[in-house]
Amino acid sequence: AQSVTQLGSHVSVSEGALVLLRCNYSSSVPPYLFWYVQYPNQGLQLLLKYTSAATLVKGINGFEAEFKKSETSFHLTKPSAHMSDAAEYFCAVNRMDSSYKLIFGSGTRLLVRP
Amino acid sequence: DGGITQSPKYLFRKEGQNVTLSCEQNLNHDAMYWYRQDPGQGLRLIYYSQIVNDFQKGDIAEGYSVSREKKESFPLTVTSAQKNPTAFYLCASSTGVPEAFFGQGTRLTVV
Repeated sequence: AQSVTQLGSHVSVSEGALVLLRCNYSSSVPPYLFWYVQYPNQGLQLLLKYTSAATLVKGINGFEAEFKKSETSFHLTKPSAHMSDAAEYFCAVNRMDSSYKLIFGSGTRLLVRP
Repeated sequence: DGGITQSPKYLFRKEGQNVTLSCEQNLNHDAMYWYRQDPGQGLRLIYYSQIVNDFQKGDIAEGYSVSREKKESFPLTVTSAQKNPTAFYLCASSTGVPEAFFGQGTRLTVV
């Protein structure tokens, strides 16, 4: 069965510091992987997605993620954190059936200190 | 602008009452989904529909019901059988691409 694990329910960084949010997946076949961002009391917005093309994926707001098959990881990074990056981030993998249903990790809340 | 509209944004339910959450999309997407979000648990799939007049249970369908009479609409009813309905509910849609587009959510609280 497919699954997604996000390490760290809370991550705190200083403004201007590197952001690293970890995501590991379990899948018996090459997956599609996603990172979504959620601001308080709002829906989810797609940051970026991996669909078996380039392993380094660039997304919106300066975020990027690298698909590493050997490590079954898809960590999200941003070189320099901004106060506006404070939000909850979800990693997701698509289910391997005929639908496009997603399996989500439990989320990581990013706190940015001034 | 195309998008997914959920209403209401906040909803209060009394014990034993059924309530219906609205989800409308004008993206011309075939598939629609309902997720439930609880703190620290991520999103869990309640129901999904890939085509009009057809829908399937997700991982936590007990106490919920849906209908899909129109392509644009996928309402979710939280019935009195759902013993712990307080949560944030998110509707999503997709079509032919492996990603989902989300509405702004409805926060349901039992009073």
